[in-house]
Amino acid sequence: GAGVSQSPSNKVTEKGKDVELRCDPISGHTALYWYRQSLGQGLEFLIYFQGNSAPDKSGLPSDRFSAERTGGSVSTLTIQRTQQEDSAVYLCASSLVGPEQYFGPGTRLTVT
Amino acid sequence: AQSVSQHNHHVILSEAASLELGCNYSYGGTVNLFWYVQYPGQHLQLLLKYFSGDPLVKGIKGFEAEFIKSKFSFNLRKPSVQWSDTAEYFCAVNSMNSGYSTLTFGKGTMLLVSP
Repeated sequence: GAGVSQSPSNKVTEKGKDVELRCDPISGHTALYWYRQSLGQGLEFLIYFQGNSAPDKSGLPSDRFSAERTGGSVSTLTIQRTQQEDSAVYLCASSLVGPEQYFGPGTRLTVT
Repeated sequence: AQSVSQHNHHVILSEAASLELGCNYSYGGTVNLFWYVQYPGQHLQLLLKYFSGDPLVKGIKGFEAEFIKSKFSFNLRKPSVQWSDTAEYFCAVNSMNSGYSTLTFGKGTMLLVSP
């Protein structure tokens, strides 16, 4: 079946602009996760959704970052007033039950 | 907070050499352990996982890992690497501390296998 999909695959934006990143999880997966992958830093947890609620937002690096999930499916990660340090690959993952997560291809964000 | 440490950032091997990548985690309670692999230009894929039972787990493509609770380790091994194993490898853990939800990743080990 279809895996996790993310769009866009690449995004170049100017410093100060807002960006929206989209994640379509595997159909039926109730849990959805956002991570950020920076060069040499591994993967950093951002936020976790169970259904439409986010019980764990502890990884969001600043109030410029927000995320929502609607209909228990698609999620959008929004970064306002982007900064150069926001440049990274943003990964989405989903899971059904249990801890095994399935990852999407990521969105490479470049802030110029 | 739980943390994961991967000992080597870069490893270079010749084909047919044996591989062992180290991974240590900090949480003392019950954990689930994972190795993910990211081939060049591809997304993260699960290589193998440990939840409970036999501490020696086997994954895809001939990889295996051994959970040693007393050492808080989950090292990845392969007896004979191939050029196609060139990739970045990530160790990850989740635990009761995180509600068995979020994964904590190590910083990754880039493996380069020369033909």
